[in-house]
This record gives sequence, C-alpha cells and structure tokens, in this order.
Amino acid sequence: NAGVTQTPKFQVLKTGQSMTLQCAQDMNHNSMYWYRQDPGMGLRLIYYSASEGTTDKGEVPNGYNVSRLNKREFSLRLESAAPSQTSVYFCASRRGEDEAFFGQGTRLTVV
Amino acid sequence: AQSVTQLDSHVSVSEGTPVLLRCNYSSSYSPSLFWYVQHPNKGLQLLLKYTSAATLVKGINGFEAEFKKSETSFHLTKPSAHMSDAAEYFCVVTGWGRGSSNTGKLIFGQGTTLQVKP
Repeated sequence: NAGVTQTPKFQVLKTGQSMTLQCAQDMNHNSMYWYRQDPGMGLRLIYYSASEGTTDKGEVPNGYNVSRLNKREFSLRLESAAPSQTSVYFCASRRGEDEAFFGQGTRLTVV
Repeated sequence: AQSVTQLDSHVSVSEGTPVLLRCNYSSSYSPSLFWYVQHPNKGLQLLLKYTSAATLVKGINGFEAEFKKSETSFHLTKPSAHMSDAAEYFCVVTGWGRGSSNTGKLIFGQGTTLQVKP
C-alpha cells in the first residue's frame, strides 16, 4: 500500500523562488495536514483540510498557501521562498478520530 | 483549545532499564491522544493511541501509556529499554467538539529525544 506519498523528497530553492509540494493519499481519508518540523520545536501545523474543498490555518500559515482540489491530494505552495522556510515538511492524512498516517517528508533548503 | 507539553526534551537511560517519557495535555473537549516515534531521518510511526476506551493503552514494541484525566497526563513507559528504542518521541493531542477552533487538528508536543546507553 502506498499510504501517503510526498514529492519531491529533497529540494533546494533560491530566495524568492516558488514551488509546490505535492501530497497524495490512497486511503480515502477526509482529513489532511501539512506540518513543518524544525529542531526542538516538534511538528507545527501549517494548514489543515477537514474535507475536499475546505482548508483551515494552523499555527504557522504565513508564507504558505494550500489547495485541496479533491479527496486524494493536498498541495502546499510557497509563493516566494525565504530562508526561514528551510525545514522538513510532512503531509499526513486521517480518518475521523483514528491515527494519522504520515508521508516520508520533504527536506527543503532555501538559500 | 488543545495543547500538549512534553516535560523532558532529552531522556537518557541504560539498556535494560525502564523508560518514562512524560506528557501533559490541555483540552476543553474529549481528547484523543497519541504517541509517535521518529527514528533519525525517518518518517513518523504510531506507537499507541487513546480514544476514550481503556485508560491503559498498549502499543508496539512493548510501550504502553496510561491516560489520567485527573492529572491531564499521558505518560509513555516501557519496562526495559532496547538500543533500537533510541529515537525522538512525540505526544499528540486532538479533540472533537462543536465550536472548537481546533477541532480535528493534531497538536504536537515539542518532542523528547530518547538516548539508550549500552
């Protein structure tokens, strides 16, 4: 089973460039999440989507946009990358109150 | 609103001795609680979950946790540490309740790094 698939796994951007991180899940889950992980800070929620067509801001949404066009996919866009957005990004999906399943992460470096 | 505090950023134990990783939570609604583990440069794996059934929850690899509502705690324990347990551990809270701005959101603690010495 594929579970949650994130692409790309690694990316280096220059300051000011834009990019989209892709996430897809094949478990028919309604809820999807985007987190960033920085040393000593755990995982911080960027955006959350409870269902197709709905999104909600998390703890650190500034500088990011998301799109939930269908049930499977939830993309995260950086319009103008900044060095402060250097991080590891995780996508997750979840059904109801069950546990969340996570992708393998995208390691992003902004220089 | 939900929040979670992991009381130790770093715990060091000797192989074969007990492990205790502490987690306190705050939630205005009936919480679901989880422990996840992350090995170096890996993704997150579920260890165990509490979703309002039995208060003592058993997970994978010999870990267990007890939900104590009166103490708002969900500490993770293991009787005997193994070298392969060295990793980062996250306590996670979520809750569902009408009117909560955090409904459905998974809130992570800052993480506890477990070191296991030979």
